[in-house]
This record gives sequence, structure tokens and C-alpha cells, in this order.
Amino acid sequence: DTGVSQDPRHKITKRGQNVTFRCDPISEHNRLYWYRQTLGQGPEFLTYFQNEAQLEKSRLLSDRFSAERPKGSFSTLEIQRTEQGDSAMYLCASSLAAGFNEKLFFGSGTQLSVL
Amino acid sequence: TQLLEQSPQFLSIQEGENLTVYCNSSSVFSSLQWYRQEPGEGPVLLVTVVTGGEVKKLKRLTFQFGDARKDSSLHITAAQPGDTGLYLCAGGGAGNNRKLIWGLGTSLAVNP
Repeated sequence: DTGVSQDPRHKITKRGQNVTFRCDPISEHNRLYWYRQTLGQGPEFLTYFQNEAQLEKSRLLSDRFSAERPKGSFSTLEIQRTEQGDSAMYLCASSLAAGFNEKLFFGSGTQLSVL
Repeated sequence: TQLLEQSPQFLSIQEGENLTVYCNSSSVFSSLQWYRQEPGEGPVLLVTVVTGGEVKKLKRLTFQFGDARKDSSLHITAAQPGDTGLYLCAGGGAGNNRKLIWGLGTSLAVNP
């Protein structure tokens, strides 16, 4: 059984650099979510896909953030011109949308540190 | 805007004690989920409650959904150090785009 996998687990970068994270969801899941989380806080919604369509993007997300899910399978999240405030855990989750009883399965996250 | 408030925000107790964590909202949710998250890992689903007044038990954990489906509680009996973690509640909304509404979490530390 393969769960949600994220790569890399840790990323250290310098301010101003671009970074890209990858998420491989559970294979039969049609929904994929990206969240950001800082220490001791709940997940903050960034964006989500149903199949290959990006259905919603948080208003808090600047234009430096972009996500894709080109074939409705894996997804990438890119942050351009990183800032220190981007330092956080970036979590990916997938689900099989099933009415109101949606259950999310999370990956282990990518911990980003911007120096 | 739907909001979920969790209390307490932090809790530090001794092994063997009981505790209750609360998740409250002024909005009605079609379902409510509880997750536990350990440091450096993603949240893991513990339970989903969908019916007002519903009670579910998972070993030493008891989850309750309020009659009006606006609030929920998590009670842990005889807490153990392995229960340490961030407990998150998430509410399921209505409509076609049913992304979850998350609380900020309760950080629990159980000391041996």
C-alpha cells in the first residue's frame, strides 16, 4: 500500500531562489490538496485539484506560488523568488471525493527553510 | 466565513490523567473529523463523525459530535506519552466545493 509521498522531505534555499515540490497522491484519489503549516498551527489551505482541474486557490497565495497537476496524477508546487516568510511545512493530501464525508490522507510534508 | 475554534491551545499533563479537547463553531457542519499529527509528519485521520449527538470510541479516545453539529469534543482517558501530538479538528461543509475547514489545533504533551 503506497500512501501519499512528497519529495523532497527537506529543502533549504536562499532567499530569492525558486523551489519546486512534488506530491504523488494515492493512485485512485481524484482530489489533491496543498496546505502550508507553521509550527504549532493547523494547516492553511493553499489550493486543490479535482483530477487535473485546479478548482480553488487561496486568496492568501501570492502570484509567486503556482501549482500544477498536468495529468491528474502527481502535482508540483513551485515557489518563485522565495522569501523568509515562506519557511514552513508544505503538506500534500489526497482524497476520493465522496459527498460530505471526505477523508484526507496526508503525506509527510516538505519542510522548507529559506535563509 | 466558517471558523472552527479549538481549546485549549496547549495542554501539558501527567501520564494517567484524563483530558478533554474542544472544537467549537457557530456554523453547522455536515461532518467533523479529528486528526492527530506528530512532529515532522502529516496529520493522520482518527475519526469522522457525521450525525448530531454521535459518539465514537477508539480505544481510550472518545469523540462526540454536538446535537446541533456545531461542536465536537475529544476525551482521552488515562493519557499516555504516546498520545503526545497536535490534535486537529476539521469540519466538512456543504456545496460542490467541499474543502475542509480546519481548527488551529490543540498541542498535547503527556509527561511520563
